[in-house]
Amino acid sequence: NAGVTQNPKFQVLKTGQSMTLQCAQDMNHNSMYWYRQDPGMGLRLIYYSASEGTTDKGEVPNGYNVSRLNKREFSLRLESAAPSQTSVYFCASSEAVPRSYNSPLHFGNGTRLTVT
Amino acid sequence: KNEVEQSPQNLTAQEGEFITINCSYSVGISALHWLQQHPGGGIVSLFMLSSGKKKHGRLIATINIQEKHSSLHITASHPRDSAVYICAVKDYGGSQGNLIFGKGTKLSVKP
Repeated sequence: NAGVTQNPKFQVLKTGQSMTLQCAQDMNHNSMYWYRQDPGMGLRLIYYSASEGTTDKGEVPNGYNVSRLNKREFSLRLESAAPSQTSVYFCASSEAVPRSYNSPLHFGNGTRLTVT
Repeated sequence: KNEVEQSPQNLTAQEGEFITINCSYSVGISALHWLQQHPGGGIVSLFMLSSGKKKHGRLIATINIQEKHSSLHITASHPRDSAVYICAVKDYGGSQGNLIFGKGTKLSVKP
């Protein structure tokens, strides 16, 4: 089992460019999440998907869009990258619905994004 | 406002020492998670608990719901335990999809 796979691992963008971060999980989990991690701050939720076909905004959704393509895949898109989006992005999944968080989170290895 | 506070922020220990990392929170919760972030950046879930105590190998996590406090203990610490340990809580009153994360405790275990 690969668990949660994220691509790419590293990316450098110029301001205004667009890109999609890919995430896939092979654990048949219902819920998937996108977080960003910035120095001196805790992980912050960008978007989540409680089940296939549904997505909801998290704490910091501005400048991002998501697609829950199927049960396995949850992508994060930056339409017009800004330097403030320089961060490390983590995808995660869990068996339980987000309302209860009563099962462990499984994280991908992260994508380190720099926007110049 | 910091709803989840971890202490200490940084911790250096000698191999073999008993280590305690603390997490205090200010909201009513339904679950608390302890995560480990390796130096390479990957994040692993260690424990998810809502009451009492859990043990896995040399790691022990406890929670006191009344005092809104949790501790992560590492017995017989080893250099491979060097990592950032993160506490996160699910707030009863918060958004459905949101865990509140602490800023982490960076642990360095010297041989």
